[in-house]
Amino acid sequence: AQRVTQPEKLLSVFKGAPVELKCNYSYSGSPELFWYVQYSRQRLQLLLRHISRESIKGFTADLNKGETSFHLKKPFAQEEDSAMYYCALSSNTDKLIFGTGTRLQVFP
Amino acid sequence: DTGVSQDPRHKITKRGQNVTFRCDPISEHNRLYWYRQTLGQGPEFLTYFQNEAQLEKSRLLSDRFSAERPKGSFSTLEIQRTEQGDSAMYLCASSLARYSGNTEAFFGQGTRLTVV
Repeated sequence: AQRVTQPEKLLSVFKGAPVELKCNYSYSGSPELFWYVQYSRQRLQLLLRHISRESIKGFTADLNKGETSFHLKKPFAQEEDSAMYYCALSSNTDKLIFGTGTRLQVFP
Repeated sequence: DTGVSQDPRHKITKRGQNVTFRCDPISEHNRLYWYRQTLGQGPEFLTYFQNEAQLEKSRLLSDRFSAERPKGSFSTLEIQRTEQGDSAMYLCASSLARYSGNTEAFFGQGTRLTVV
């Protein structure tokens, strides 16, 4: 079965601390993995995708096929990073399968 | 705002009534998706269109739900005989599918449905 698991509902850190939001997936083929972010009162938007292998707003995520993980990392959290983060995978039909999300709170 | 737009933003309806939501995708996007999100959950896929063709429907989409995309432009999602369990945020997204691969899906702000 296709599934995305985000084990943490809430992650709280202080500004400047490292952040790692965990994501594990199960999928029989070769999925495409994404991180979407939703800031307060804004729409869901793409943060990054594994095929682009780029850093967005200081965030990176590496696809680990052996561990079926796609954890999101940032070395130094900023207050403006506070948001809801969703990990998602895309099947060959292009629909997105989302995890339950992790709320990141960055305290000053 | 040239992004995906959804109307209405909020809808309160009595159980048993029918409701219809509209989604206007980004104009050049050929794919349109509907998702449903309940409290504490991520968005769940309902259905998607490529141009005017509805290519996939989730098992979540009971026969009370119907979606259309006439002429491959805007889409409507209708729920008949609403139930309290239909209360959720309904999200629309669009993307441009190319032979070279898919591009980013852009989401609307959603329609929040409350069934009382």
